[in-house]
Amino acid sequence: DAKTTQPTSMDCAEGRAANLPCNHSTISGNEYVYWYRQIHSQGPQYIIHGLKNNETNEMASLIITEDRKSSTLILPHATLRDTAVYYCIVRVANSGNTPLVFGKGTRLSVIA
Amino acid sequence: SAVISQKPSRDICQRGTSLTIQCQVDSQVTMMFWYRQQPGQSLTLIATANQGSEATYESGFVIDKFPISRPNLTFSTLTVSNMSPEDSSIYLCSLGTAAYNEQFFGPGTRLTVL
Repeated sequence: DAKTTQPTSMDCAEGRAANLPCNHSTISGNEYVYWYRQIHSQGPQYIIHGLKNNETNEMASLIITEDRKSSTLILPHATLRDTAVYYCIVRVANSGNTPLVFGKGTRLSVIA
Repeated sequence: SAVISQKPSRDICQRGTSLTIQCQVDSQVTMMFWYRQQPGQSLTLIATANQGSEATYESGFVIDKFPISRPNLTFSTLTVSNMSPEDSSIYLCSLGTAAYNEQFFGPGTRLTVL
């Protein structure tokens, strides 16, 4: 079962920051927070992951609360191409030999 | 990163027939995974395919319905047998290695059963 809770859907104006929340109150000490997204008719794509420190890459920023029970994915300047379903997943790092378990995700619609 | 291709990309099939989906990877990997995504739903894991051994199926999925082959480290097939309209879904193969943090996905096979 997925260990995360996300809003079903969100809208964001093009050019604005999209802030996608995720609750993971039962996260274990050795589990990381991963974010993937699935653009329509494509396979899921990795975005970013983190343990407890905030992380940033060319796609997004990840803010994890101090108690690690929730996190926020930030797309700083959302474009229409960012319209997708975003999945927040918790898993042990370097566990590539175990499959991801997907929850329902958040459907983000970027509006012109 | 890894490049994964799937064939066919889509198909329309008749009830009672079977379809075999192929998944080809550009590098050798130990574990491959097969997922199903029903219309409007999230991804559900069907099975894990480890080269050289029988696939491990998740609850609700059985080998007779979804036989899987894993003949080598770069290839796998999933067969959807005796199809019904309820099998209409996107089927995705995926791979992971212990060396990577991310899991890679193929583009999916969109199956419609009439």
